[in-house]
Amino acid sequence: EVQLVESGGVVVQPGGSLRLSCAASGFSFDDYTMHWVRQRPGKGLEWVSLISWDGDTTHYRDSVKGRFTISRDNRKNSLFLQMNSLRSEDTALYYCAKDWGLTRYCFDKWGLGTLVTVSS
Amino acid sequence: EIVMTQTPLSLSVTPGQPASISCKSTHSLLHSEGKTYLYWYLQKPGQPPQLLIYEVSNRFPGVSDRFSGSGSGTDFTLKISRVEAEDGGVYYCMQSIQLPPTFGGGTKVEIK
Repeated sequence: EVQLVESGGVVVQPGGSLRLSCAASGFSFDDYTMHWVRQRPGKGLEWVSLISWDGDTTHYRDSVKGRFTISRDNRKNSLFLQMNSLRSEDTALYYCAKDWGLTRYCFDKWGLGTLVTVSS
Repeated sequence: EIVMTQTPLSLSVTPGQPASISCKSTHSLLHSEGKTYLYWYLQKPGQPPQLLIYEVSNRFPGVSDRFSGSGSGTDFTLKISRVEAEDGGVYYCMQSIQLPPTFGGGTKVEIK
């Protein structure tokens, strides 16, 4: 069974940094593109970033470019999101999502999310 | 960035009755390779989203045939033929023809 378990979400001050992790199991992690998608409290879904299976290709939404860095460790079946210069608008539940791989950027499995709160 | 607009914002449906949700995009989602990259997700309360429909009208494995998707270009529709109690939640459309993938604002479906 595919499992994605996010961790690392905490309360952090504006301007602070945080590293989110996602532990994957139940599938061949190194075969798939992975994504981070966030959801602000009570709001809709917002794609954040993706990384290709080999880590060579990454993409970010404009509002996090230069502040967030996505990475992966295929030996440890883990996905990461390094978040720097955090802003109040980054407060959200951050989901790790697996790309289905059979169509273009479609998320077939999601974790339960980890909550990031940016507040002084 | 492609903007996705869903209507209605919410609807209340009696079990056994049909329901329909509209999704419109600011750009055509038809790719030059012939596929249209429009998806539908359902987020039940307290859960992550789950994929229902991919490429406009294809049900994801395990999804009930009560769910159907249609549309083309910039206008799309999700239909539930006979709503059941387990169908309550927020439905989102999403496009991925262009980065960043973008979601509609969501349609909350309440089961009476």
